[in-house]
Amino acid sequence: DGGITQSPKYLFRKEGQNVTLSCEQNLNHDAMYWYRQDPGQGLRLIYYSQIVNDFQKGDIAEGYSVSREKKESFPLTVTSAQKNPTAFYLCASRVSGGNEQFFGPGTRLTVL
Amino acid sequence: GNSVTQMEGPVTLSEEAFLTINCTYTATGYPSLFWYVQYPGEGLQLLLKATKADDKGSNKGFEATYRKETTSFHLEKGSVQVSDSAVYFCALMSGNQFYFGTGTSLTVIP
Repeated sequence: DGGITQSPKYLFRKEGQNVTLSCEQNLNHDAMYWYRQDPGQGLRLIYYSQIVNDFQKGDIAEGYSVSREKKESFPLTVTSAQKNPTAFYLCASRVSGGNEQFFGPGTRLTVL
Repeated sequence: GNSVTQMEGPVTLSEEAFLTINCTYTATGYPSLFWYVQYPGEGLQLLLKATKADDKGSNKGFEATYRKETTSFHLEKGSVQVSDSAVYFCALMSGNQFYFGTGTSLTVIP
């Protein structure tokens, strides 16, 4: 079945460690997005990518980094520079020219 | 700039009650508008959408009409069920980006 997978579902890390969240899609979508969700704040855009080897910062990119080496994959690294990384992270994709986003199941990151 | 404002929750209704969740937006140009639903611990699922003024999106008994004159896209359902309990997000698409409201939690009690 086509869709978006995020792994792992739950992730625990010690403060000061970098951590990479996986996002893979087999929908053949060009555009991919990373959002952060905190209680009562909705979704905030971290990074997005329209094509391979290209990406743009969203509203809250500080402390995060991404890569887009393959169309199917858009990993997000949460660095030690991110002041408050504990959150629910959602990945999404969209076909080029389309207006519907498809979301993955999310990864809940807890920094201890 | 672009932004979405939706009514704050939580909202608690009895089964078969009428539901309205208000959503207004600010945008440049002519955005597409969406309602997404999120069940606990899961990602968002598209519930319905509308791409131009006066369009009505509908799905699973939910409806919303794109009102350009009032910049609104209110979500309605005539008779809610316990299975409708979830968080609902209003969103708009402008250019290549999406902008989300803060979400409204709905609980339907039997």
